[in-house]
Amino acid sequence: GESVGLHLPTLSVQEGDNSIINCAYSNSASDYFIWYKQESGKGPQFIIDIRSNMDKRQGQRVTVLLNKTVKHLSLQIAATQPGDSAVYFCAEIRGAQKLVFGQGTRLTINP
Amino acid sequence: NAGVTQTPKFQVLKTGQSMTLQCAQDMNHEYMSWYRQDPGMGLRLIHYSVGAGITDQGEVPNGYNVSRSTTEDFPLRLLSAAPSQTSVYFCASHRNTGELFFGEGSRLTVL
Repeated sequence: GESVGLHLPTLSVQEGDNSIINCAYSNSASDYFIWYKQESGKGPQFIIDIRSNMDKRQGQRVTVLLNKTVKHLSLQIAATQPGDSAVYFCAEIRGAQKLVFGQGTRLTINP
Repeated sequence: NAGVTQTPKFQVLKTGQSMTLQCAQDMNHEYMSWYRQDPGMGLRLIHYSVGAGITDQGEVPNGYNVSRSTTEDFPLRLLSAAPSQTSVYFCASHRNTGELFFGEGSRLTVL
């Protein structure tokens, strides 16, 4: 069936390094993807989004890349900080504003 | 603005009991939705609403009812609680984008 998923459940990086979180999707018709960050005990928080007519979008310290050929998107976080420790979810919009979330990747920052 | 407010934050029920999780938003968003999050998993859509008086089912609607009598409120009703409904529930609201604003969550335990 159709799914939105993540390659790795956990990712550990050194403080100051760049982080790359990956996500695969299976629905070729999907045209809108979003990344969310969830800190412990809180609700998810919007980070950045990208539409299928784009390959790349940049925000503050974050970049999302979309490869429609292999149905893959990634979130890059530059100069990772302790405050970036969280679970990161990719999500896609499926008609009528229904978001479908992947399982999440836990990002841990090592000092 | 308070954003999205969920009550209660914690609740323990016995199997077969009913209860309502409350959700209110003060951002005049037309879209509202309820998700559940189980340990180590992403969020799964229970029900959503595209405006007052309009609701629809998500991925996991069984055992839950919703109504949307006003723009601001979107309560989630558990008709007869089951242990499988033990979870953290998140309410969200948004406009016609993928930027959802989530509440802090309601942690429900069904014994």
